Amino acid sequence: IAGITQAPTSQILAAGRRMTLRCTQDMRHNAMYWYRQDLGLGLRLIHYSNTAGTTGKGEVPDGYSVSRANTDDFPLTLASAVPSQTSVYFCASSQQGGGNEQFFGPGTRLTVL
Amino acid sequence: AQSVTQLGSHVSVSEGALVLLRCNYSSSVPPYLFWYVQYPNQGLQLLLKYTTGATLVKGINGFEAEFKKSETSFHLTKPSAHMSDAAEYFCAVSEVRRGAQKLVFGQGTRLTINP
Repeated sequence: IAGITQAPTSQILAAGRRMTLRCTQDMRHNAMYWYRQDLGLGLRLIHYSNTAGTTGKGEVPDGYSVSRANTDDFPLTLASAVPSQTSVYFCASSQQGGGNEQFFGPGTRLTVL
Repeated sequence: AQSVTQLGSHVSVSEGALVLLRCNYSSSVPPYLFWYVQYPNQGLQLLLKYTTGATLVKGINGFEAEFKKSETSFHLTKPSAHMSDAAEYFCAVSEVRRGAQKLVFGQGTRLTINP
């Protein structure tokens, strides 16, 4: 069982380019999440999805979009990357409901120049 | 909105010494509280969580935390530090809206273990 996989592991991107970060889970979790991690700020929620076909905005959604066509996949797209989007991005998943553990992927380190 | 404050961005202890990482939260409803650990270049791993019931929660690797409602705290402790405990630790509170459990994280505490 792989859990959560993310791709790519790292990426250097020119400003203005479009980029999609991929996330796949094999735990059949209903809920999935995207966070960004920045030094001194902890992890901040970008977007989330309760179940396939639904998505919602988190704390820092501007400049990002997501889709949830099926249970397993939850891609994050930067339509036109900017340097402030340089960060480490983590995908997570959990069963729905409060108190459930979120399982995290290994992260994608993105640098926007 | 819920929030989490971790006191001390860096904590350094000697091997064998007590580890104490502080976490205070704000929540308008009974909280679900979590501690996660992040080793270098890895994702986050759950150490322990509080949902309901016993306020002293035991986790993996010898860590435990006590939920104190009167102090709005959920401090993480370990009686004797080991070199392998060196990592970044995150406290989080759960916010449930429209069926989605969203975690609100503190800024993290980097734990260094001195030989």
